[in-house]
Amino acid sequence: GAGVSQTPSNKVTEKGKYVELRCDPISGHTALYWYRQSLGQGPEFLIYFQGTGAADDSGLPNDRFFAVRPEGSVSTLKIQRTERGDSAVYLCASSQRAASEETQYFGPGTRLLVL
Amino acid sequence: GNSVTQMEGPVTLSEEAFLTINCTYTATGYPSLFWYVQYPGEGLQLLLKATKADDKGSNKGFEATYRKETTSFHLEKGSVQVSDSAVYFCALTTDSWGKLQFGAGTQVVVTP
Repeated sequence: GAGVSQTPSNKVTEKGKYVELRCDPISGHTALYWYRQSLGQGPEFLIYFQGTGAADDSGLPNDRFFAVRPEGSVSTLKIQRTERGDSAVYLCASSQRAASEETQYFGPGTRLLVL
Repeated sequence: GNSVTQMEGPVTLSEEAFLTINCTYTATGYPSLFWYVQYPGEGLQLLLKATKADDKGSNKGFEATYRKETTSFHLEKGSVQVSDSAVYFCALTTDSWGKLQFGAGTQVVVTP
């Protein structure tokens, strides 16, 4: 079946602009996670959704970052007033349910470059 | 807080050599432990996992044993292939809903 997909695969923007990154999880997966991976580092947690609600957004770096999942499937990560430090690969993952032993399936990521 | 430390790369070795990638962790409670792999040009994928002490995870010839006494989860493979060239990430979760914390990754390069 189809895996997790993310669009766009690459995004170049200018400092101060607004961007939206989209994630399509595996069909039927109730849990959805966003991570951010800087060059040479492991992914860092941003936010987690159980269904439509953001159950934990403790990893969002500041209030310029926001994410939604209005129908419990597709999720959008929104970044306002982008800064050069936001440049990274943004990863989305989904799992059948939210549990510590569950496998998370990752998308290919969106590479964001802020000039 | 929780943290994962893994050996720095790149690790370069010849085909059929033995591979070990060290991973140690600090965590409150009893974490579940994972190894994820990122092949060139591909997304992260789960390689193996262990959810309690003394469990051994295995997949594709790789193994790792959850050692609570040494807070370690070292990854091993007895005979690597060129196709094992990738970046390997050790990760843990202590949250009931699965928030993952990753190490920095170890690049492995296998030469023919």
